[in-house]
Amino acid sequence: DAGITQSPRHKVTETGTPVTLRCHQTENHRYMYWYRQDPGHGLRLIHYSYGVKDTDKGEVSDGYSVSRSKTEDFLLTLESATSSQTSVYFCAISVSVEGATGELFFGEGSRLTVL
Amino acid sequence: DAKTTQPNSMESNEEEPVHLPCNHSTISGTDYIHWYRQLPSQGPEYVIHGLTSNVNNRMASLAIAEDRKSSTLILHRATLRDAAVYYCILISGNTPLVFGKGTRLSVIA
Repeated sequence: DAGITQSPRHKVTETGTPVTLRCHQTENHRYMYWYRQDPGHGLRLIHYSYGVKDTDKGEVSDGYSVSRSKTEDFLLTLESATSSQTSVYFCAISVSVEGATGELFFGEGSRLTVL
Repeated sequence: DAKTTQPNSMESNEEEPVHLPCNHSTISGTDYIHWYRQLPSQGPEYVIHGLTSNVNNRMASLAIAEDRKSSTLILHRATLRDAAVYYCILISGNTPLVFGKGTRLSVIA
């Protein structure tokens, strides 16, 4: 499973509160990604990172920020959660060795409910 | 990004081979063809990828058309555990994977 864990796995929060989801990997991979998955939309890329302090926006980045201060941790923050951010969030790491996007391993997902 | 087209759904009988098609007529020379699948209530799982030649691994085979405008993921003997959504994705360089809607495969016992 490439040593990837997400926390928390489940969270219920109220509109307007900040939320941080953590993705932790144990194998020092450079590339990390955050996706969200909603019925009818499939998986959509939120933000991604190519290394420490090197992040970029995906297709649905509004309302989200990320930080990568250590190789092993990629944090996704909802500064002020809204009901539209109720979703399942997946973290992924790329285990390609040739520097290109290769095999992605996904975490088990974090289910967030914003009331 | 080059787009892929897959059928929304397919059905197979258990222990029969399954051929999942993917059209990618605008593929570029540097695009790799990746396949992932997502089992119910789980994150996506890497299946296989290739560039020009057919590829085999323990999970599946990937047959790539000579002009690379289409490919087929082959599950040699479908099991109930293979019921999932299968995604065909084109990727070049180190750009992130962009998932489409995929093909929902149902396996009938």
